Amino acid sequence: DVKVTQSSRYLVKRTGEKVFLECVQDMDHENMFWYRQDPGLGLRLIYFSYDVKMKEKGDIPEGYSVSREKKERFSLILESASTNQTSMYLCASSFFGRAGNTEAFFGQGTRLTVV
Amino acid sequence: DAKTTQPNSMESNEEEPVHLPCNHSTISGTDYIHWYRQLPSQGPEYVIHGLTSNVNNRMASLAIAEDRKSSTLILHRATLRDAAVYYCILKREYGNKLVFGAGTILRVKS
Repeated sequence: DVKVTQSSRYLVKRTGEKVFLECVQDMDHENMFWYRQDPGLGLRLIYFSYDVKMKEKGDIPEGYSVSREKKERFSLILESASTNQTSMYLCASSFFGRAGNTEAFFGQGTRLTVV
Repeated sequence: DAKTTQPNSMESNEEEPVHLPCNHSTISGTDYIHWYRQLPSQGPEYVIHGLTSNVNNRMASLAIAEDRKSSTLILHRATLRDAAVYYCILKREYGNKLVFGAGTILRVKS
């Protein structure tokens, strides 16, 4: 069974803390993505990566960075967490290539609360 | 990225077919039409995709208009477990991104 695993389902952090959200996939996918989902705003792409050490900004990268040191792992980093980063964070992965013809697999999500 | 337009919400009775429409009048020749759904408290899951021809799989059917400016996701017999937000997304042939719109909230009544 294909799997995208996010390290935590729920997380509570303090304002100003450095936060790491981890995502691991076991499908040998080249592409990995981080989204956040907020009521009324839908899913918005933060960053994505199409290869190890490669990354591209999505629609809302401010306040976030990412790391992809190994193909199977994609980390989202909040350098200094703020309350407006309280959200549901979703990781996804997919094959590269004729991307129009490939499906993405999502993790269960991490609900992050910054207090 | 070309945009899609979907109704905010739809309602269906259990065991009846459901037709979820999507308009994409600015679709380009290399855009694939993808559908995902998101069940409550879960990440989105892939449903179906197509380019020009109608497609069927175990979850649903996808009917694509001849001019490709609209498509319809068909659930043949809705169950309570099909209650979800359904997203219609256009994906470039060599693009990597999935850009989600607001989607359609499907409610299924027993």
